Amino acid sequence: DIVMTQSPDSLAVSLGERATINCKSSQSVLHSSNNKNYLAWYQQKPGQPPKVLIHWASTRESGVPDRFSGSGSGTDFTLTISRLQAEDVAIYYCQQYYGTRDSFGQGTKVEIK
Amino acid sequence: QVQLVESGGGLVKPGGSLRLSCAASGFTFSDYYMSWIRQAPGKGLEWISYISTVGATIYYAESVKGRFTISRDNAKNSVYLQMDSLTTDDTAVYYCARKRLARPYDFWGQGVQVTVSS
Repeated sequence: DIVMTQSPDSLAVSLGERATINCKSSQSVLHSSNNKNYLAWYQQKPGQPPKVLIHWASTRESGVPDRFSGSGSGTDFTLTISRLQAEDVAIYYCQQYYGTRDSFGQGTKVEIK
Repeated sequence: QVQLVESGGGLVKPGGSLRLSCAASGFTFSDYYMSWIRQAPGKGLEWISYISTVGATIYYAESVKGRFTISRDNAKNSVYLQMDSLTTDDTAVYYCARKRLARPYDFWGQGVQVTVSS
């Protein structure tokens, strides 16, 4: 099974500053048939279910602000929040959907400094 | 609008059983793969099971294999999770979520609490 590891576990960023979250998979999630990375990012706010922000590692879902961006390929990925807003306080998870069994990273808690 | 509504949670003793249900509406249920994903108190997300559109393909996480059974009834637009031999480690909020093949989860239910305690 593919193990997803995020870093850091938490970070505090000033409003308007950049937040960067890393995600590493134990094996490549790049599918050779279509050259797509089977990697998604989710945002979870307290008391709510997760919401998908990005799929294919870098494709924003409809309605997601463009301050959220994803990058990376193979085994190493990054979620960047370019200008942190108060409403971005949440826990962020990466997830691979390459394997027969999906798996999530342990989560990264983003707070305001 | 799209809705996934979980039910059937509650308090159960170790060794007991529960059956969760997830009722879907607002979309063509049989077009989607369905999963159960859980979140223990203060912890992250753990994928536990997945069923394909007509139930031909099913997978489980090792942590629940042999104890949990996923099923679906496309006529009733519902997916189920039969949970047997429950332990305290199974205490969590259980979410059902939909996806298409090789895609992420694009909609989740609000979750149902399962507490295993003596």
